Amino acid sequence: GQQVMQIPQYQHVQEGEDFTTYCNSSTTLSNIQWYKQRPGGHPVFLIQLVKSGEVKKQKRLTFQFGEAKKNSSLHITATQTTDVGTYFCAGTPNAGNMLTFGGGTRLMVKP
Amino acid sequence: IAGITQAPTSQILAAGRRMTLRCTQDMRHNAMYWYRQDLGLGLRLIHYSNTAGTTGKGEVPDGYSVSRANTDDFPLTLASAVPSQTSVYFCASSPARVPGANVLTFGAGSRLTVL
Repeated sequence: GQQVMQIPQYQHVQEGEDFTTYCNSSTTLSNIQWYKQRPGGHPVFLIQLVKSGEVKKQKRLTFQFGEAKKNSSLHITATQTTDVGTYFCAGTPNAGNMLTFGGGTRLMVKP
Repeated sequence: IAGITQAPTSQILAAGRRMTLRCTQDMRHNAMYWYRQDLGLGLRLIHYSNTAGTTGKGEVPDGYSVSRANTDDFPLTLASAVPSQTSVYFCASSPARVPGANVLTFGAGSRLTVL
């Protein structure tokens, strides 16, 4: 079945440093979504990408969808303590309709 | 405030007991889902419902059952709880009838410990 892998599993950064998490699918995706879960909270939708090579920005966050629509990345510029949490990607395969989540990347920011 | 309500927030349960986790949404979303979250494994789909009256199996359905008698409610039942079902359970919903075609809204979660 479809697998969605995310790396790294954990990342410690100093406040002000940049951070990137990568998402890779074993199959081509029709779309990819990103969610953020604060410690003790629930996942909250951030963004959806649908086009090959698409890039979207939300303030300090930059989201990319690969040309082959099998990978994606989330880059945070100049991290802040408010960025702490676990970031999940979730993809829908072209051949199916079930959203599959990656394992998540837990970001910790040292002030 | 519109959204998803889950109950209980947390529960400690003896193995072998029956347990129902409740989920109610007031957004009139068509699709509803149950996920479990375990450290390092992300969110895994247990069961889903595309619309009232229909349900389907997700990635890890064994030991769980669901029903969707109406649009708003989607309870998850553990018929005979086992320790491996210790997890945080999230209910979610989306407007679309087709899973993956729309954005998920999650409830606050139910933390279940099976001893």
